[in-house]
Amino acid sequence: QSALTQPASVSGSPGQSITISCTGTSSDVGGYNFVSWYQQHPGRAPKLMIYDVSTRPSGVSNRFSGSKSGNTASLTISGLQAEDEADYYCSSYTSSSTFLFGGGTKLTVL
Amino acid sequence: QVQLQESGPGLVQPSETLSLTCTVSGYSITSGYFWGWIRQPPGKGLEWIGNVYHSGSTYYDSSLKSRVTISVDTSKNQFSLKLISVTAADTAVYYCARQTYGSTSPWGQGTLVTVSS
Repeated sequence: QSALTQPASVSGSPGQSITISCTGTSSDVGGYNFVSWYQQHPGRAPKLMIYDVSTRPSGVSNRFSGSKSGNTASLTISGLQAEDEADYYCSSYTSSSTFLFGGGTKLTVL
Repeated sequence: QVQLQESGPGLVQPSETLSLTCTVSGYSITSGYFWGWIRQPPGKGLEWIGNVYHSGSTYYDSSLKSRVTISVDTSKNQFSLKLISVTAADTAVYYCARQTYGSTSPWGQGTLVTVSS
């Protein structure tokens, strides 16, 4: 199975909002409400930011939000801060009882 | 608080078997959840390898299925990864993690495994 499709990079200025897309198929993103998003800083393990499409784990800032429409999920970060600069990955459960990750998006805070 | 820690050799010879163990603390593996392995080649993205359900059922990525075995040792509250016939392409940071259908968390800190002679 191919990885989910994410833009390679996005950027924004402090205080602005950005959105990262994650496109799959009806066999993964579009077929289940099991999309999650991860933040990864260099040299660190990924951190769960959003699960089940739009739910924030305890302790994650409400500046992070998730949504889904059809086969595309989205992560929106509002009020960008310097500490948000990191790589972001989406993931989805699939009809094959497996998991797929996106290729990753590098967020640069200008 | 659930914590996971990977352990195993950092260097594996080509064509040999990569073996890693994940020790879980703060939660009993037999109580539920999937327990999974994910890897990340240097400078690249995350790749799901497979997982094992608390009942022992296993699920693997189709591209690795012929070379991977994930198993559980309930007496030690550990689960393990074996990857046979490794090549340089298997060089990566390997993470273990707890999974549900909709999330992967928490993650271990990761361990770098290099395949080289």
